[in-house]
Amino acid sequence: AQSVSQHNHHVILSEAASLELGCNYSYGGTVNLFWYVQYPGQHLQLLLKYFSGDPLVKGIKGFEAEFIKSKFSFNLRKPSVQWSDTAEYFCAVKNSNFGNEKLTFGTGTRLTIIP
Amino acid sequence: ETGVTQSPTHLIKTRGQQVTLRCSSQSGHNTVSWYQQALGQGPQFIFQYYREEENGRGNFPPRFSGLQFPNYSSELNVNALELDDSALYLCASSLAQGGNTEAFFGQGTRLTVV
Repeated sequence: AQSVSQHNHHVILSEAASLELGCNYSYGGTVNLFWYVQYPGQHLQLLLKYFSGDPLVKGIKGFEAEFIKSKFSFNLRKPSVQWSDTAEYFCAVKNSNFGNEKLTFGTGTRLTIIP
Repeated sequence: ETGVTQSPTHLIKTRGQQVTLRCSSQSGHNTVSWYQQALGQGPQFIFQYYREEENGRGNFPPRFSGLQFPNYSSELNVNALELDDSALYLCASSLAQGGNTEAFFGQGTRLTVV
């Protein structure tokens, strides 16, 4: 069975600090990996995704993530955070088989940016 | 905006009642998935529908059921509501093709069971 671990439950940073949120997954097959963001009162929004190819993927709003297959990790990074990045961040995984759209999410990381 | 709309946005029900939540998929998408997000947790997969048939289910009891219609819109039905069913229910639509796909989420329905 698939599982996703996000070890940082709540992260507090000052503006302009660098960010790295950890994500580890457990699954034996080929996976698709995602980071979603949930701003207060808004829907889940896709930040970035990894399907194949270059393990360093860039997403919206200056976020990037690196897939390290040997470590089963897909950590999210941003070199300089802004107050508007305050939100809940979810890592998710699904297997890449045709027709399987089931996403397994981590428990989320609440990010608070202090102005 | 994702093009996925859910209704209603908020709902209060009494324990033991039944509820129906609705989702309109993004145009052109053929797969709908439903998730339950309890407070402080990540979304949990309930089930997915592909071409009007359920083809994947998470660890939820049979009182959670669904439908997908020819226009790919969908319903989630929950019978015999329990207090623990209080959560945000999310609908996601995607186009199942070749395996590498992404899901687009609606804003959710906040269900409170009292």
